[in-house]
This record gives sequence, C-alpha cells and structure tokens, in this order.
Amino acid sequence: KAGVTQTPRYLIKTRGQQVTLSCSPISGHRSVSWYQQTPGQGLQFLFEYFSETQRNKGNFPGRFSGRQFSNSRSEMNVSTLELGDSALYLCASIDDGVPDTQYFGPGTRLTVL
Amino acid sequence: AQSVTQPDIHITVSEGASLELRCNYSYGATPYLFWYVQSPGQGLQLLLKYFSGDTLVQGIKGFEAEFKRSQSSFNLRKPSVHWSDAAEYFCAVGARGGGYQKVTFGTGTKLQVIP
Repeated sequence: KAGVTQTPRYLIKTRGQQVTLSCSPISGHRSVSWYQQTPGQGLQFLFEYFSETQRNKGNFPGRFSGRQFSNSRSEMNVSTLELGDSALYLCASIDDGVPDTQYFGPGTRLTVL
Repeated sequence: AQSVTQPDIHITVSEGASLELRCNYSYGATPYLFWYVQSPGQGLQLLLKYFSGDTLVQGIKGFEAEFKRSQSSFNLRKPSVHWSDAAEYFCAVGARGGGYQKVTFGTGTKLQVIP
C-alpha cells in the first residue's frame, strides 16, 4: 500500500496570508489526524477527522481549520498567518483497530516570513 | 486524562553499545502504548506498539519495549546501536473514550550516536 502523502512538502508564506495543506491517507483508512511540530512546543494535536466529521480538536485558535472529503483526503487551512505558525505540519493516517494506530506522512514544512 | 513523560531530553551512546530510552505514562486503565522514531525533517515512523498480551514487544529495526504495569513504564531498548539510529524518539499513550482513541505524545528523546 502507498504511504501517507502530504503536499506541498515545503511552503513559504508571508504574515497575513492564508495557506492550505493537503493529506492523502493510506488506502482504506477513514481517519486522519493533524499535528503541529515546533522545536519549542513539540508535537501538538490540531484535530482529527473520521468519515468527514471532526471528532476531536486540540487547543488552537479558530484560524486553524480542517476538513475531510468523502475519499478520506483531508486539508487543513491556516488563515491570517503569523510568524509563530512556522512549523512542520504532520498528517497521520489512522488504522481504526485495536488499538488505533497512526501512520505519519513526511510533513509539510511551513515558513512564515 | 492520560499523560506520558520521557525524562531524558538528550542521550548519547557509542556505536555498538546498548540503549534504553525511558517512558512513563499515567492512565487509570491499561493503555495503548507506542514508540515512534523521527529523523530530522521527516515524519514519525512507528517502531512498535503494545495493547495486550506479552509485555515484551518486538518492533522494527531491532528495537523492543517492555510494558511494566507496576512501574507505569514502557521503555525502549536495543542491544547494539548503529549510527543510523541517531534520531528523535517519541513515546505515546492512547486511551479510548467517547467512542474513539485519544493519543498523547511525549516530548521526545534525542539520541546521538558517537563512533
């Protein structure tokens, strides 16, 4: 099976802009989660989607949003970018089983100037 | 709510030496436990997981971990470290609630391997 695909891999934006990141999970997986990773804060959970419904959300401002499509692909959007949004954004494809197991993509490196 | 602690931020070992990375969790019931590895600029790769049964779990790349309920620990071990093992290692704990599983990651341990 193909792994988790994240596009783009690298992105440079300026403050105030908005950005959309994409994630294609492993075939057959219906759940996707998103994380932000920075050197100072480590891995922080953003949100999780299952069959197009958000079922869990982390403590991020409303500028961070996401959605999932019927084919399980997911996008996350960050509006009004701030310098502090510079991070590696990781998507995980979730094998819903016992236990649920997350398989991560390579990430999107976002730099905000 | 569950939590996980990785007490060692940074560990340095010589190539060929044995390795043990510590992970302690807090959860009222039997948790699901995971170890991941991350190379610089890359995503996280699953090394192994535990959810029931044999408390000694074998993973990829020659790693193993032992679940010790009495110590609330899930330490990762490798008998002989290779230079390519230099990376950051994350322990995670999962717990079901509200119909789905919530996962909490530790802060990670960076492993440096010296020749």
